[in-house]
Amino acid sequence: DAGVTQSPTHLIKTRGQHVTLRCSPISGHKSVSWYQQVLGQGPQFIFQYYEKEERGRGNFPDRFSARQFPNYSSELNVNALLLGDSALYLCASSPPYRASNEQFFGPGTRLTVL
Amino acid sequence: GIQVEQSPPDLILQEGANSTLRCNFSDSVNNLQWFHQNPWGQLINLFYIPSGTKQNGRLSATTVATERYSLLYISSSQTTDSGVYFCAVQGGSEKLVFGKGTKLTVNP
Repeated sequence: DAGVTQSPTHLIKTRGQHVTLRCSPISGHKSVSWYQQVLGQGPQFIFQYYEKEERGRGNFPDRFSARQFPNYSSELNVNALLLGDSALYLCASSPPYRASNEQFFGPGTRLTVL
Repeated sequence: GIQVEQSPPDLILQEGANSTLRCNFSDSVNNLQWFHQNPWGQLINLFYIPSGTKQNGRLSATTVATERYSLLYISSSQTTDSGVYFCAVQGGSEKLVFGKGTKLTVNP
């Protein structure tokens, strides 16, 4: 089975632009989470979606938004990009059963804001 | 919110040596995972271990939930073990909270 996939792998934008990152979860997984990882730090939680509904939101400004589609894929949108948004953006999916909330991560999208 | 501390922050070993990485957390958890992040940024699942002990080849992990810590053991280290090791926990919310990681360098 394919793992979590993300696109694009790399992206370069300039300040003030908008960006959309995409994620497809492991087949059968209904939950998708987004994380931001800046250089030298651990990933920080941005959003979680389950069955197309937002289940959790981290401490990020309203410039960050996300949605989940009927096929459980997800998009992360960031408006009015700042230099500080340069980071690795990771998507994770987890199984539908509550007995295991193990999360599986995709390869990430590396965003550079100039 | 829940806090996660990993130690040591950096570790340099010779190939063949053993090592122990530690993760302390500040509250009860229902999920604890160990990851290895490769140089390309991919987080590779090593263990899902909210409690107990597991082994996978040269790696093993133990979580003592009542004392709020977890240990990752790497035996007979290889150069391919180099990278950053993260501990992440999940408490009452939906998010994983990561530590700052341990950067492991294994020299030939």
